[in-house]
Amino acid sequence: SYVLTQPPSVSVAPGKTARITCGGNNIGSKSVHWYQQKPGQAPVLVIYYDSDRPSGIPERFSGSNSGNTATLTISRVEAGDEADYYCQVWDSSSDHPVFGTGTKVTVL
Amino acid sequence: EVQLVESGGGLVQPGRSLRLSCAASGFTFDDYAMHWVRQAPGKGLEWVSGISWNSGSIGYADSVKGRFTISRDNAKNSLYLQMNSLRAEDTALYYCAKTPDTAMVSWGQGTLVTVSS
Repeated sequence: SYVLTQPPSVSVAPGKTARITCGGNNIGSKSVHWYQQKPGQAPVLVIYYDSDRPSGIPERFSGSNSGNTATLTISRVEAGDEADYYCQVWDSSSDHPVFGTGTKVTVL
Repeated sequence: EVQLVESGGGLVQPGRSLRLSCAASGFTFDDYAMHWVRQAPGKGLEWVSGISWNSGSIGYADSVKGRFTISRDNAKNSLYLQMNSLRAEDTALYYCAKTPDTAMVSWGQGTLVTVSS
């Protein structure tokens, strides 16, 4: 089945930019969604269809997708952005969703 | 306001059964496909099962195929997951989520299933 690979952790200083990658075979041909999960809470959709933001999500969150890598970018990082982040695609071959391995973002 | 409230979790012995429910409100339930996603303690998200708006399309992860059954009752705005032959590795927080297409736009708070003797 389709595999999505994320770095286990990313550390970033407040006010800087965090970039979280999601690698998959020709992922650029798929739509990628991103979820934020804070400790003890349910996941929240922060980016859908590669780069769209749901209402209520700050403009600091953006996404891109090309080739074999999709990227979630968090600009002007705040302490409240500290969370686990998961990418997700729909695997057409198995006809079901697939989640990435998850990345823990730590704000220094 | 969209609300998804899971229930039915608990401690169960290996080999036994459990039925999870997800009560939906704040949106037109039968406009959306629904999914179950689980998260083992300290682990990542794992898709478990999904069902289309009219139950015409159903899918399962290989890890639960043949043991779990998803269903929905649109008249009751409810989603279900019948879990049989439970194993220790099924221990997880189980979330229900709604999706208009391929993104899971809303999630419940989850119900914890612990499989242990």
